[in-house]
Amino acid sequence: GAGVSQTPSNKVTEKGKYVELRCDPISGHTALYWYRQSLGQGPEFLIYFQGTGAADDSGLPNDRFFAVRPEGSVSTLKIQRTERGDSAVYLCASSSPGSSGGAIEQFFGPGTRLTVL
Amino acid sequence: GQNIDQPTEMTATEGAIVQINCTYQTSGFNGLFWYQQHAGEAPTFLSYNVLDGLEEKGRFSSFLSRSKGYSYLLLKELQMKDSASYLCAVRSSYNFNKFYFGSGTKLNVKP
Repeated sequence: GAGVSQTPSNKVTEKGKYVELRCDPISGHTALYWYRQSLGQGPEFLIYFQGTGAADDSGLPNDRFFAVRPEGSVSTLKIQRTERGDSAVYLCASSSPGSSGGAIEQFFGPGTRLTVL
Repeated sequence: GQNIDQPTEMTATEGAIVQINCTYQTSGFNGLFWYQQHAGEAPTFLSYNVLDGLEEKGRFSSFLSRSKGYSYLLLKELQMKDSASYLCAVRSSYNFNKFYFGSGTKLNVKP
């Protein structure tokens, strides 16, 4: 079946602009995650959704970042007043809950490469 | 806080065995995961350890010692396609869906 998809694959914007990044998880996966990956680093946790609600948004760096998942499927990560330091690859992942309630395997999308000029 | 350490880069020869180490210091631990990430691609899941010991999956094995805060990924019969970054990740015991990743170890496999 289809994997996790993310659009756009690349986004170039100017400092101060607003951007939206979209994630389509695997059908039936209730858990959805957003990560940010800078060059040479591992993915950095941003936010986790269980269904429609943000179960943990402790990784969002500041209030310029916001994410929604209104119908429990597609999610959008929104970044206001972008800064050059926001440049990174934004990865989305989805999973189904494990037997203990926690995810074991996360399925990652190809990411959106965001460049803020 | 969370601190996960891996070597930055390693080189090994095709057909050989390589061990990639990961040490961690976390305020809550509920599992250690290894992911493979080819350049420019998404991470893909390799293995998962929650109890001490060795988990074997084909050419890949992963080991965990919780008392030492230590794990390794063992790759046998290396192939050129194994050239990738290998990410160690720890799952939080406070939130079973929160994961902390190390910076990754870039493995270069030479002919």
